[in-house]
Amino acid sequence: KAGVTQTPRYLIKTRGQQVTLSCSPISGHRSVSWYQQTPGQGLQFLFEYFSETQRNKGNFPGRFSGRQFSNSRSEMNVSTLELGDSALYLCASSTTGTSGNTIYFGEGSWLTVV
Amino acid sequence: QKEVEQDPGPLSVPEGAIVSLNCTYSNSAFQYFMWYRQYSRKGPELLMYTYSSGNKEDGRFTAQVDKSSKYISLFIRDSQPSDSATYLCAMSFSGGGADGLTFGKGTHLIIQP
Repeated sequence: KAGVTQTPRYLIKTRGQQVTLSCSPISGHRSVSWYQQTPGQGLQFLFEYFSETQRNKGNFPGRFSGRQFSNSRSEMNVSTLELGDSALYLCASSTTGTSGNTIYFGEGSWLTVV
Repeated sequence: QKEVEQDPGPLSVPEGAIVSLNCTYSNSAFQYFMWYRQYSRKGPELLMYTYSSGNKEDGRFTAQVDKSSKYISLFIRDSQPSDSATYLCAMSFSGGGADGLTFGKGTHLIIQP
């Protein structure tokens, strides 16, 4: 069974640009969540989607957004990139996101903002 | 006070030793507790998943949760050099991910051959 797949794995962007990251969850998983990992703050929750609806959102500015498609694949977008957005962005999936579901992470997308 | 505290290490032990990794937390509403292992430049890999207080064993790994003390532990028996990685504790209210996981910052573990 394939795991959580994220693309691209590495990318470099310039301040002020925007970026879109993609995530394909494990087959049969309908809950997709996104996390940001930095050396200073560790892993922080961005948002979670289920059936194309955002159910929960972490404490991040509105420049961070996401969406989920009918096939459960998800994208996240960061607009007006800042140097501090340089991080590993991780996607995770679970069956329904509810009690008892285990959560599996992808390998992440490394974003460098210059 | 951070919600989840975890000693960043590094923690260096000889091969074959028993390793103890710990986290403390402040929010008593957390019900589900997880341990992830993360190798350099890789995504976190789920090791253990427990609900409420108690112990859970899986091979060389044992997870303990003491909700009264707001303290969780991961023990690794017969440690191997391949166990060298960063270990992240995580916890949530609902367990499924919808409310987001709250992570510790991770402990960097080094197993010396």
